[in-house]
Amino acid sequence: DGGITQSPKYLFRKEGQNVTLSCEQNLNHDAMYWYRQDPGQGLRLIYYSQIVNDFQKGDIAEGYSVSREKKESFPLTVTSAQKNPTAFYLCASTGTGGTSNQPQHFGDGTRLSIL
Amino acid sequence: QKEVEQNSGPLSVPEGAIASLNCTYSDRVSQSFFWYRQYSGKSPELIMSIYSNGDKEDGRFTAQLNKASQYVSLLIRDSQPSDSATYLCAVNMAGGGNKLTFGTGTQLKVEL
Repeated sequence: DGGITQSPKYLFRKEGQNVTLSCEQNLNHDAMYWYRQDPGQGLRLIYYSQIVNDFQKGDIAEGYSVSREKKESFPLTVTSAQKNPTAFYLCASTGTGGTSNQPQHFGDGTRLSIL
Repeated sequence: QKEVEQNSGPLSVPEGAIASLNCTYSDRVSQSFFWYRQYSGKSPELIMSIYSNGDKEDGRFTAQLNKASQYVSLLIRDSQPSDSATYLCAVNMAGGGNKLTFGTGTQLKVEL
């Protein structure tokens, strides 16, 4: 089945530790996104990538890093510099198709907590 | 001023009634508008997209867009308990490539 796979579903981080969240898609989508959602809040954009080997900061990039070495994959690293990492992390993708009208589709998310 | 605003709710409607969810946005030249449904603990699921002024219907759902007044709404007819969820409004702001700006969502409760 085509879709977006995020792993792990749950992740725990110790203080001072970097952790990496995986996002893989087999939809042949060009653009991929990472969002953070806090309880009772909307989604806030962390990073996005519109093509391989290129990515841009979103609204809350501090304390996070990404890479886009393959079209299918867009991993997010939550670094020790992110002091409040507890949140629900969502990966999304969209086919750009030369327009900006494409909806984004989401993976099932990763819930990150501090130990 | 928030770029995309929604009433957080909860909005309670009886089963079988019409639920009306509203969203306003700040960027006058926004072109694309989306409604997502998010069940508790789950990821958002796209239910409607709308690009032109007027109404767009899909089953029990109708999206309404008024660019002059900068609002977009979602009507759910014959509301069912399974419609109980948080509904997120998302707007593709001008100059944003394909980035979406999300509202904080409206929680809908459909009561028996």
